[in-house]
Amino acid sequence: DQQVKQNSPSLSVQEGRISILNCDYTNSMFDYFLWYKKYPAEGPTFLISISSIKDKNEDGRFTVFLNKSAKHLSLHIVPSQPGDSAVYFCAASGGGNKLVFGAGTILRVKS
Amino acid sequence: EPEVTQTPSHQVTQMGQEVILRCVPISNHLYFYWYRQILGQKVEFLVSFYNNEISEKSEIFDDQFSVERPDGSNFTLKIRSTKLEDSAMYFCASGQTDEAFFGQGTRLTVV
Repeated sequence: DQQVKQNSPSLSVQEGRISILNCDYTNSMFDYFLWYKKYPAEGPTFLISISSIKDKNEDGRFTVFLNKSAKHLSLHIVPSQPGDSAVYFCAASGGGNKLVFGAGTILRVKS
Repeated sequence: EPEVTQTPSHQVTQMGQEVILRCVPISNHLYFYWYRQILGQKVEFLVSFYNNEISEKSEIFDDQFSVERPDGSNFTLKIRSTKLEDSAMYFCASGQTDEAFFGQGTRLTVV
């Protein structure tokens, strides 16, 4: 089941620069998208979400962009901080509350 | 800040034994979920629960699994006869609408 794909297993960014995490989906029924951050031995922590009626949502250093025609979303973190180092999961839902997760991208922010 | 709490944090059990994983969702949430993550794999949806009944379940959630909300505050996942492949992190989550807030997880090890 590859309905939500995060094709980059890892990303390394210098502190202060922008981190861009990408996610693609295949199911056109998805209408709500979320990003979660996960530290080792902890549960996923909700970061930011976006409804399919929008193309951008911003919350502090985090911005999520949605391109419905391309079935693509991205999470921008600017400026990146060492504490942002974690696994980032993209998730999608549609027609219900069940979330379908991507495989995750490990973000390392170097100081 | 309210959070989802899960107990125990780690459970070791013999194959064939029954286990009950416990969760206390955030108090004003209406939707409750169980997800699991096998080591090295994606976070996978198991079941969602709303209005005192299962609203959706995945193919993973077979007859060995059951959920209960016994007293209006706890939300439990029971695995009747554990198999080695049930070893995973089990995450409980709750939400009011589309976002789901996750607990810290229970690591289940079946030996």
